[in-house]
Amino acid sequence: RKEVEQDPGPFNVPEGATVAFNCTYSNSASQSFFWYRQDCRKEPKLLMSVYSSGNEDGRFTAQLNRASQYISLLIRDSKLSDSATYLCVVNFNKFYFGSGTKLNVKP
Amino acid sequence: DTEVTQTPKHLVMGMTNKKSLKCEQHMGHRAMYWYKQKAKKPPELMFVYSYEKLSINESVPSRFSPECPNSSLLNLHLHALQPEDSALYLCASSQDWEQGQPQHFGDGTRLSIL
Repeated sequence: RKEVEQDPGPFNVPEGATVAFNCTYSNSASQSFFWYRQDCRKEPKLLMSVYSSGNEDGRFTAQLNRASQYISLLIRDSKLSDSATYLCVVNFNKFYFGSGTKLNVKP
Repeated sequence: DTEVTQTPKHLVMGMTNKKSLKCEQHMGHRAMYWYKQKAKKPPELMFVYSYEKLSINESVPSRFSPECPNSSLLNLHLHALQPEDSALYLCASSQDWEQGQPQHFGDGTRLSIL
């Protein structure tokens, strides 16, 4: 079983839509959680850390559910520029990457 | 602009060449990482340095040799690479290895082995 699992997508959504991604992790002792976005042929960029209480940054909301061992990312009012691959990263002694979820926002 | 700088941006080398990839950060981070990323795959961890000491080597072949000359610099020395080593090589840094602080990535070196 992989340490971190994500639906690879792609998620094809129209502009203005709300889209949500989930990510599950296997190690209940995992300590830190992050969402990164990666554009084609670019480096991963930190989108946001994920905290137990949930956190929001503009149109982006991240949630952590330790009991069920998953984290989520909600994007509201999708923009064309949100098109990218979203990587879930979990830390337990080292960083474990999900395989990424591809998002295509269409006009 | 990324705060982790990698050079060169692109590198083409033959299987008998020796070259080095360089990474620099000035954020005062004490942990630095090398990752390898193939197309449509997530980054794969290669090495972790914490306080200038090698903490993790993910069973990387010896044709890849990391070096951490000081807390701001990380090198990856390459020798006798194979075509399957062609990939994007990413350097990252974080505040501290053990506290699980987020990593910040450089924009990578795209390596092609002929």
